[in-house]
Amino acid sequence: AQSVTQLDSQVPVFEEAPVELRCNYSSSVSVYLFWYVQYPNQGLQLLLKYLSGSTLVESINGFEAEFNKSQTSFHLRKPSVHISDTAEYFCAVSEAGAGSYQLTFGKGTKLSVIP
Amino acid sequence: NAGVMQNPRHLVRRRGQEARLRCSPMKGHSHVYWYRQLPEEGLKFMVYLQKENIIDESGMPKERFSAEFPKEGPSILRIQQVVRGDSAAYFCASSPPDGETPLHFGNGTRLTVT
Repeated sequence: AQSVTQLDSQVPVFEEAPVELRCNYSSSVSVYLFWYVQYPNQGLQLLLKYLSGSTLVESINGFEAEFNKSQTSFHLRKPSVHISDTAEYFCAVSEAGAGSYQLTFGKGTKLSVIP
Repeated sequence: NAGVMQNPRHLVRRRGQEARLRCSPMKGHSHVYWYRQLPEEGLKFMVYLQKENIIDESGMPKERFSAEFPKEGPSILRIQQVVRGDSAAYFCASSPPDGETPLHFGNGTRLTVT
């Protein structure tokens, strides 16, 4: 079984400032890692994923996350946030391999970008 | 290519009524998953279905909840005799059969039980 911890439930940050949303996981097997974003009253959209290969993964809108196996972390970062980044961000993990459909989600971090 | 379609977006039911939530997967996707998001919580897996088969229902409450994915038509999550604690956002996701493609989520159905 896996578990995901997102330590910060809310993160306020000023526009154009950098941000890091923390995610730690625990698992006894190899995992895939994901960040999903949920804008108000919408569903979850996949932001980025780590399946294998390079431990640094990037999204098209400037976010990046780094898989750190020794620290069992997958923190999400952005060097300069925009108002439009205001949303809730969920870290998720699944067991690596075929049939990895059971995503285990963290409780989410609400990012509020202040003008 | 339409995404995962869920309806209704909002559903209000009185205690004791039945709630039916519908989900049409993305084109080409044959696997459907239902998740529930309680207030201030992350999403929790409920059930995994393929056409006419329930593959894994380990996250489903034992009573009042059922799910189906018929040969034709959308997947249905059915909640009988709803209670206030059923109030939540219910998300459907779909994927192709390869087992490694990330899930694509719909916009959810927000169920309110009064």
